[in-house]
Amino acid sequence: KAGVTQTPRYLIKTRGQQVTLSCSPISGHRSVSWYQQTPGQGLQFLFEYFSETQRNKGNFPGRFSGRQFSNSRSEMNVSTLELGDSALYLCASSFGTAQETQYFGPGTRLLVL
Amino acid sequence: DQQVKQNSPSLSVQEGRISILNCDYTNSMFDYFLWYKKYPAEGPTFLISISSIKDKNEDGRFTVFLNKSAKHLSLHIVPSQPGDSAVYFCAATLSGGSYIPTFGRGTSLIVHP
Repeated sequence: KAGVTQTPRYLIKTRGQQVTLSCSPISGHRSVSWYQQTPGQGLQFLFEYFSETQRNKGNFPGRFSGRQFSNSRSEMNVSTLELGDSALYLCASSFGTAQETQYFGPGTRLLVL
Repeated sequence: DQQVKQNSPSLSVQEGRISILNCDYTNSMFDYFLWYKKYPAEGPTFLISISSIKDKNEDGRFTVFLNKSAKHLSLHIVPSQPGDSAVYFCAATLSGGSYIPTFGRGTSLIVHP
């Protein structure tokens, strides 16, 4: 069974630009969550999509947005990039029910110059 | 306010000895706990979990202990191996809530040969 895939793996952007990251979940998983990881901050939850609807949202500004398609693939968009947005962005998929494991992709490393 | 805390940013252990990673939580409603392991340039991978109805769960060299009254859990790795060197994240979920895990900031484990 294929794992969670994320594209691109690495990205360099400049301040003010926007970026779109993509995530393909494990087949059959309907929940896709996005996290931001920065040194010393652990995994900060951005949002979760379940059956094409945003079901949960973390405490990030509106510049961070996402969507989910009917095949459960998800995209995350960051507009007006800031230097502080440099991070590893991780996507995780699951069936979306209680007490289950999330499966993570390898992440997209974003560097904002 | 951190609901899941891993107070030791790093831990160094000799190969063959026991590694003990600790995690504290503040929300007494958390009822499912997970440990993830993360190597550099990879996404976190699920290691072991425990439900709040148990106080111990074992899987090979890995054992997780849960002390609900102290709101504390720990991960024991016996014996530790150099390949265990990674960042370990503790996470907690709430069945009656969003199901999204709340992660600690991680503990970097280094196992010396």
